[in-house]
Amino acid sequence: EVQLVESGGGLVKPGGSLRLSCAASGFTFSSYFMNWVRQAPGKGLEWVSSISSSSSLMYYADSVKGRFTISRDNAKNSLYLQMNGLRAEDTAVYYCARASKSSDYWGPGTLVTVSS
Amino acid sequence: DIQMTQSPSSLSASVGDSVTITCRASQGINNFLAWFQQKPGKAPKSLIYAASSLQSGVPSKFSGSGSGTDFSLTISSLQPEDFATYYCQQYNSYPYTFGQGTKLEIK
Repeated sequence: EVQLVESGGGLVKPGGSLRLSCAASGFTFSSYFMNWVRQAPGKGLEWVSSISSSSSLMYYADSVKGRFTISRDNAKNSLYLQMNGLRAEDTAVYYCARASKSSDYWGPGTLVTVSS
Repeated sequence: DIQMTQSPSSLSASVGDSVTITCRASQGINNFLAWFQQKPGKAPKSLIYAASSLQSGVPSKFSGSGSGTDFSLTISSLQPEDFATYYCQQYNSYPYTFGQGTKLEIK
C-alpha cells in the first residue's frame, strides 16, 4: 500500500526557516517524480515544487523560488522541502504527492503557520 | 503560465442528480488534465488523469471528457459522500496550475 506521511510543520516567525519531510513507503520511491502542493486556510490548491526521480530536475512556483529548496534521499525514501525566508502568505497545509498520472497519491499534510 | 478557469464555483444538487463541472485552460494542454476531490480537513483524492482516465479504485460514476482547452467532469447519481470540493489541474507544463475549485453542496 502506497503511503506518504509529511512531518516538520509548526509555528514559525516571519523570516524564519522550516524543513518539511515526507516519508514514502509501499512503492519504489526512487522511480518517481514527487510534488509538494500547499493549501492556505480556506483557499484552493497551489502547486509548490517538483523534483525528478534522480534529483536532476527541480521546479518551483514563482511564489517560492529563491526561498524554498526541494530535495530527496532515495536511500531513505524521503522527500524534503527546505523553507527559508518564510512569510505570512506561506501559511498553509503542505502536502507531498507522488507524481504519477498527475498526482495519484497524497499524504495527509502538515500545517505550517507563519506568525509573530 | 497556464490559467485554469473552473465553473461554476459552487453548485447545489440533490442526491440522485447528475452534475457537470467544466474547466478551461488558457492554452492547449495536450490532455494533461487531472481532477481531484477534496473533503473538509482531508487531502485531495485523485479521480481522473489524462482528461478521461479513471484512477484505480475510483467508481465509474465519475467521468472526464474534453480536449484542447475545454474539459469537464461529470458525476452521475450523486450520493451523500460525493458532496465535496472538486479541482482541475493541468500538468502539461510547469508551473502546474489548479482551477479555483467547485464546491458541490446538497440542495
